[in-house]
Amino acid sequence: GQQVMQIPQYQHVQEGEDFTTYCNSSTTLSNIQWYKQRPGGHPVFLIQLVKSGEVKKQKRLTFQFGEAKKNSSLHITATQTTDVGTYFCAGPISGYSTLTFGKGTMLLVSP
Amino acid sequence: DTGVSQDPRHKITKRGQNVTFRCDPISEHNRLYWYRQTLGQGPEFLTYFQNEAQLEKSRLLSDRFSAERPKGSFSTLEIQRTEQGDSAMYLCASSTGGGYTEAFFGQGTRLTVV
Repeated sequence: GQQVMQIPQYQHVQEGEDFTTYCNSSTTLSNIQWYKQRPGGHPVFLIQLVKSGEVKKQKRLTFQFGEAKKNSSLHITATQTTDVGTYFCAGPISGYSTLTFGKGTMLLVSP
Repeated sequence: DTGVSQDPRHKITKRGQNVTFRCDPISEHNRLYWYRQTLGQGPEFLTYFQNEAQLEKSRLLSDRFSAERPKGSFSTLEIQRTEQGDSAMYLCASSTGGGYTEAFFGQGTRLTVV
């Protein structure tokens, strides 16, 4: 089974509210990637984190990689309806070149 | 369109039939992956190619599943004697070689076994 856990499974926010999803791995990761999948769409790469404690920002999105490289988070400030979708974290657990995905966090934003 | 393309987009088949899906990766990508995704789950790794060599295969993958990438370009995924449990979205992704690189996903093939 999958060894990357994400919480929460689902979150419904009002537009303008903040959102955070958390990702935990059973093993230390060399890197972690985040993907977004819109309803009916396919996963689209957002970002990759490699260094312990790394923090990266993309406009309203802030990504963090834990010091122990076993957890990560994605924070969205002031959500917009365009943020709707499922956010997945993924890491190379079973193989150097393959990604194990979490179950994702589905975000719904009401206007 | 220079993205990853998959064919067909949808497939409905009767239980026990064989099906084959095709994936055309981004042309300069030497790595190709197959994933399966069911409702409410993240993509589940099936198999991985570097050029024409199949380097990894999920332990969960049934013997009814086989994949090829004969010339290191497009790939096919065949499922023999389909079962209802095979109903899922089958995603193909490709990436460049070396280091940790992002995966570019295709639109997927949705398989329904009736």
